[in-house]
Amino acid sequence: ETGVTQTPRHLVMGMTNKKSLKCEQHLGHNAMYWYKQSAKKPLELMFVYNFKEQTENNSVPSRFSPECPNSSHLFLHLHTLQPEDSALYLCASSQDQAGFYEQYFGPGTRLTVT
Amino acid sequence: AQSVAQPEDQVNVAEGNPLTVKCTYSVSGNPYLFWYVQYPNRGLQFLLKYITGDNLVKGSYGFEAEFNKSQTSFHLKKPSALVSDSALYFCAVRSYGNNRLAFGKGNQVVVIP
Repeated sequence: ETGVTQTPRHLVMGMTNKKSLKCEQHLGHNAMYWYKQSAKKPLELMFVYNFKEQTENNSVPSRFSPECPNSSHLFLHLHTLQPEDSALYLCASSQDQAGFYEQYFGPGTRLTVT
Repeated sequence: AQSVAQPEDQVNVAEGNPLTVKCTYSVSGNPYLFWYVQYPNRGLQFLLKYITGDNLVKGSYGFEAEFNKSQTSFHLKKPSALVSDSALYFCAVRSYGNNRLAFGKGNQVVVIP
């Protein structure tokens, strides 16, 4: 176990649904990240939070909405998704946003949009 | 801009033989380099990193990597591969002051018993 948990592990949703992904880290870290992992493609950074403040939005469509209520929790709210949004969504955390800290990843949520 | 190239899609190696997974990078300034491993249905797991100092870094599970600045490479190595090393390996780079970690596309390693 890496100290980062994600729920749910699997999610199937229609294009008109609204759902949320949850991430929690038990490592005392101050930075949290959302990544999208699609087959045969490099990991795509979506959002970065450092001390609860959003510091990066990698041109992510507005149908993805992050929320970071405290340094231990990160949410990704989903609405009106497209089939191409089907992927593995990974949450990660690190001591803070400084480049020399390694990131610790959760197991991911496998999202299927029908 | 920063980027990573992992030129091989898959690396096949016999159990007990040396394992090498190649990585080259492009970054402005000094790089911070990382290797991660991903087992099926799991998230990425940190193996090792190079920040500064000794060019040879040692990490988890007997893995090591050598930073070569002139060749802009950071190849991952293990002297004797195990079947349990079969997984997807990712190289990543980040430069000082950049908030983003750039990942390669990953290399599937298959260790043949």
